[in-house]
Amino acid sequence: DSGVTQTPKHLITATGQRVTLRCSPRSGDLSVYWYQQSLDQGLQFLIQYYNGEERAKGNILERFSAQQFPDLHSELNLSSLELGDSALYFCASSVGWSSYNSPLHFGNGTRLTVT
Amino acid sequence: AQKITQTQPGMFVQEKEAVTLDCTYDTSDQSYGLFWYKQPSSGEMIFLIYQGSYDEQNATEGRYSLNFQKARKSANLVISASQLGDSAMYFCAMREKKAGNQFYFGTGTSLTVIP
Repeated sequence: DSGVTQTPKHLITATGQRVTLRCSPRSGDLSVYWYQQSLDQGLQFLIQYYNGEERAKGNILERFSAQQFPDLHSELNLSSLELGDSALYFCASSVGWSSYNSPLHFGNGTRLTVT
Repeated sequence: AQKITQTQPGMFVQEKEAVTLDCTYDTSDQSYGLFWYKQPSSGEMIFLIYQGSYDEQNATEGRYSLNFQKARKSANLVISASQLGDSAMYFCAMREKKAGNQFYFGTGTSLTVIP
């Protein structure tokens, strides 16, 4: 058990809808990362937060947004969903944001299916 | 240029044999960390092993060891005495001190252990 909690585990929704994915990092970890893993594109970095502030942005679509709350949990909001958004979405946490020797600890992921 | 290259999309190994999964990396930073993750068919991403750029000894964690060749910029994962439960995708990753918080992942190698 990595200590990172993601909910829900599975999500099935229709095109055009909006969903929210939730993540609680490991105790003591201040950094939260979001990744998208689809079959044809591997593991894609979306966005990173450190102690409530956005630190880095990857290939995140404008229809997607995220935030990290004062209690350090994070939410990833996906709107105007398209079929191509179907993927496994991971949250990961890390102790710091500049410690190159700190691993990422991943949650079990949310499998999103858009129909 | 790709930061992390895994050239073996699929590998097979006989149960109880050892197997080496290749990973090469590209960085001009002196301070960096190298990581391996395992993703079984159930989907979770499991942190396996870490090697720091200044570590003189190869990292080991149980049946996992990392063959670190700094001059060649390679960080191969060696799994000894393979078990059926080792069948999974394996991802190599790097974190550079200069890049602060960015993780770079390879495209993964699918390992199948044959009974």
